[in-house]
Amino acid sequence: GQNIDQPTEMTATEGAIVQINCTYQTSGFNGLFWYQQHAGEAPTFLSYNVLDGLEEKGRFSSFLSRSKGYSYLLLKELQMKDSASYLCAVRDYDDYKLSFGAGTTVTVRA
Amino acid sequence: DSGVTQTPKHLITATGQRVTLRCSPRSGDLSVYWYQQSLDQGLQFLIQYYNGEERAKGNILERFSAQQFPDLHSELNLSSLELGDSALYFCASSVEQEGGYTFGSGTRLTVV
Repeated sequence: GQNIDQPTEMTATEGAIVQINCTYQTSGFNGLFWYQQHAGEAPTFLSYNVLDGLEEKGRFSSFLSRSKGYSYLLLKELQMKDSASYLCAVRDYDDYKLSFGAGTTVTVRA
Repeated sequence: DSGVTQTPKHLITATGQRVTLRCSPRSGDLSVYWYQQSLDQGLQFLIQYYNGEERAKGNILERFSAQQFPDLHSELNLSSLELGDSALYFCASSVEQEGGYTFGSGTRLTVV
């Protein structure tokens, strides 16, 4: 099974940087995903890491350390529209299903 | 539009009733996944189908069942509904088991 931990809430100022940490314990690892979810809407894919290191995609970057069971999502140049829940998810090695953390609600203030 | 279609968008029903939620995956996607999201919980995995076959099962209640049809659409059946079943139910699809997910817009179920 999977055990995924991420902070419940974070607040940051428009234009700033926020880092959302995710730690996981898993019986079989086959990739880590980050999704963004606005209230009442569907999660949308942000990033994917399967090897150690940093993946950069515009204002969003994601990092993975498999030996430490640790990932973070970095959001740069924050905009008001970035206020949302950010979900860390781990893919299982055997059946490929995604197990999600409870999500981190990020609030961007002017 | 993500390409994953879920119907209905909203459903209000009484306790003890039975409902069916429908999901049409993106064109070409063979895998379908169902998740439940309650207010006080994250996305909880229910069940996965791949090309018509059940491939993985989460903490799905016995009152719930699902299937994937030959045209790859899937249905989630919820019976003997309880107040606690009120939630957002999401369907997601992927090209194959190793693919990333694309989510549908969800069905908001309210049991009164």
